[in-house]
Amino acid sequence: GAGVSQSPSNKVTEKGKDVELRCDPISGHTALYWYRQSLGQGLEFLIYFQGNSAPDKSGLPSDRFSAERTGGSVSTLTIQRTQQEDSAVYLCASSLGPAYYEQYFGPGTRLTVT
Amino acid sequence: EDQVTQSPEALRLQEGESSSLNCSYTVSGLRGLFWYRQDPGKGPEFLFTLYSAGEEKEKERLKATLTKKESFLHITAPKPEDSATYLCAVSGPSNTGKLIFGQGTTLQVKP
Repeated sequence: GAGVSQSPSNKVTEKGKDVELRCDPISGHTALYWYRQSLGQGLEFLIYFQGNSAPDKSGLPSDRFSAERTGGSVSTLTIQRTQQEDSAVYLCASSLGPAYYEQYFGPGTRLTVT
Repeated sequence: EDQVTQSPEALRLQEGESSSLNCSYTVSGLRGLFWYRQDPGKGPEFLFTLYSAGEEKEKERLKATLTKKESFLHITAPKPEDSATYLCAVSGPSNTGKLIFGQGTTLQVKP
């Protein structure tokens, strides 16, 4: 079956511009996560969505970062006024549920801020 | 603070030379320990989930084990196609299931 898809695969933007990254989770997966992987860093949790519950935004590094999930499916991560330190690979994952279930990752979006 | 430490950072093996990767963790209330494989330019690929000490899981040349403080990923008679970065992650007491990842072990298997 289809896995998690993300778009775009690569994004180059100028400092100060806003960017939107998209994630399509596996059909039927209720939990959706965003992570960030910076050069030389491990994967860092950003935000979590589960059904109609309030999202866990505890990993967002600043108020320039926001995310939404529409209709319990597609999610968009938005970064406003991008900075060079935002350059990283942004990974989306989905799972059947939280905590005990394995998460399946998409291919990621590589963001480069110039 | 919940933490995951992987060792070694890098490992070079000859084809057929078996070895183990280590994942040490400190987490208050482990809900699951996950192993992933990541190839360059790709997202992590799920390998195993372990839930309790003493549990073992196998898949082809890979075997994952779990104790109360660490997990091992044993690679038996590796092949060049096993070359990748192996990531360990834990899910702690948070109801969200957010994963805490180690830095990974980059494995290179030479023919």
